[in-house]
Amino acid sequence: ETGVTQSPTHLIKTRGQQVTLRCSSQSGHNTVSWYQQALGQGPQFIFQYYREEENGRGNFPPRFSGLQFPNYSSELNVNALELDDSALYLCASSLQGAPEAFFGQGTRLTVV
Amino acid sequence: QQQVKQSPQSLIVQKGGIPIINCAYENTAFDYFPWYQQFPGKGPALLIAIRPDVSEKKEGRFTISFNKSAKQFSLHIMDSQPGDSATYFCAVSKPGANNLFFGTGTRLTVIP
Repeated sequence: ETGVTQSPTHLIKTRGQQVTLRCSSQSGHNTVSWYQQALGQGPQFIFQYYREEENGRGNFPPRFSGLQFPNYSSELNVNALELDDSALYLCASSLQGAPEAFFGQGTRLTVV
Repeated sequence: QQQVKQSPQSLIVQKGGIPIINCAYENTAFDYFPWYQQFPGKGPALLIAIRPDVSEKKEGRFTISFNKSAKQFSLHIMDSQPGDSATYFCAVSKPGANNLFFGTGTRLTVIP
């Protein structure tokens, strides 16, 4: 059984650029959620994908968008990067309807 | 608005001690209460979780105590070890919800 994997592990972008982060869900899981974790804070829910559609969204602007693919993997896209977008981006996989969420190691995004 | 309040912010104990981390919530609709452990540069790892129909759950050296009437739950780490030094997060979620609300974290240091 493979766990949740994310790529890349680290990324540096310039303000105004766009970024795509990737996540492969744990084997057998059909739901992917994305969280943003600022330094010294708890993770904040961005959105969840199930059956290739957005299935709930937190308090994040539309420039945060995502995709889920038929193999349940997912992408997080962020447009028009701002300095405050610098954070650890976490992907969590789960089974729809089950509360247990398993996180990947995260992607550290730095916006300069 | 913080859905769950976590304390203390940081904690230092001697090896073998029993650190206790507390969380409090207001919304009685929450029905799933997990604890996550996070090491620097890693994603959160699910440690132990409890449902409101039981008052205590033990898994190895980790115990959750749950007080439904007080709307509080806590994590106890028995016989703590230096390898337990990490940041611990409590979280809450509602039935059928697609996201977790996290506390602000407790940085635990276990001194040899």
